[in-house]
Amino acid sequence: AQKITQTQPGMFVQEKEAVTLDCTYDTSDQSYGLFWYKQPSSGEMIFLIYQGSYDEQNATEGRYSLNFQKARKSANLVISASQLGDSAMYFCAMRPFGNEKLTFGTGTRLTIIP
Amino acid sequence: DVKVTQSSRYLVKRTGEKVFLECVQDMDHENMFWYRQDPGLGLRLIYFSYDVKMKEKGDIPEGYSVSREKKERFSLILESASTNQTSMYLCASSLPRDVGGYTFGSGTRLTVV
Repeated sequence: AQKITQTQPGMFVQEKEAVTLDCTYDTSDQSYGLFWYKQPSSGEMIFLIYQGSYDEQNATEGRYSLNFQKARKSANLVISASQLGDSAMYFCAMRPFGNEKLTFGTGTRLTIIP
Repeated sequence: DVKVTQSSRYLVKRTGEKVFLECVQDMDHENMFWYRQDPGLGLRLIYFSYDVKMKEKGDIPEGYSVSREKKERFSLILESASTNQTSMYLCASSLPRDVGGYTFGSGTRLTVV
């Protein structure tokens, strides 16, 4: 079984600062994928970024990057130059290769302060 | 624009009622999922379907059933609604082994009174 831990229930960050949202995972699988989703107040889950366990480079998508440390089983999301529109819930998730089911963490509510 | 559509945004039902939550996707995805989301608990998988008429239980299937008679439609059924099933329900779909993850619907907030 997989387990995702997000230890920050809430964070407040000043606009334009960088943000790191923590995610650790536990799995016995050797091959897996890690995902981050954003959920604004509208409720829809938006896919942000993906990292495969065998990817040697950290994934980046625009202002989002994933700080992947495999030995520590850590997959932190970094948002550079935060904007007011980044205020939302953020969920970390993982899925072993060959398994279609995503396991989610409990989420972090990020609030960007003007 | 590709979509996962959930039929109701808000729903209020009485205890003991049979409740149907409908989800339709237009992306020809094989996989479809039902999750419930509760504060402090994140998203928990109720049921998963990888093909028409095929289903697998997720982590919390008790009190729920599902139906997938057509590829594009995945229904969640609460046989006899109870107050502890008050929650946000999220439907999602995906291609097999898709590194793009799931595409989610907007959610149905169900209140059972």
